[in-house]
Amino acid sequence: GQNIDQPTEMTATEGAIVQINCTYQTSGFNGLFWYQQHAGEAPTFLSYNVLDGLEEKGRFSSFLSRSKGYSYLLLKELQMKDSASYLCAPPKLIFGAGTRLAVHP
Amino acid sequence: ETGVTQSPTHLIKTRGQQVTLRCSSQSGHNTVSWYQQALGQGPQFIFQYYREEENGRGNFPPRFSGLQFPNYSSELNVNALELDDSALYLCASSTGGPLHFGNGTRLTVT
Repeated sequence: GQNIDQPTEMTATEGAIVQINCTYQTSGFNGLFWYQQHAGEAPTFLSYNVLDGLEEKGRFSSFLSRSKGYSYLLLKELQMKDSASYLCAPPKLIFGAGTRLAVHP
Repeated sequence: ETGVTQSPTHLIKTRGQQVTLRCSSQSGHNTVSWYQQALGQGPQFIFQYYREEENGRGNFPPRFSGLQFPNYSSELNVNALELDDSALYLCASSTGGPLHFGNGTRLTVT
């Protein structure tokens, strides 16, 4: 199966750092994608981890441990515009329910 | 480079009717995937088309069907609409890497 678990909601303060975790039970796939989806808009690609370890892209970083079935998305220097849902997804096209992040002043 | 475009943007149908949603993939992308997204939920995979052939299907009944054309554009057809089919329908194209989504079609079934 490909069960994907993420926290439903998170809140954070502008300027802070937040980590969104994703755990999964799957077989036969390599790597994991993260997408951002603002309310009323389509998801947009954020990052892709094909190997274990940390991938850094500006304020956003993503980590993957395939042996543990675990990934996280790290957002630094939070801005109000980062308020959105964050979706983790393996390349098998299955998405988790997403984590709704609310950034407050 | 033209992105993924979907039409129509909004649609209202009556229970029992049929609907066709359309998607033009991003230039150079030969794979199209369709998703259903209910409010507050993640996108649910319906099916994927690769070079005009269905290449994977999620847990949706046969009344959800699709087509991909030689230019890689695609259609999603839903027969015998039910109230629970009300959702945002997303199309995404790719070449095997990240998915590039269209803005979706908001379908309301009354």
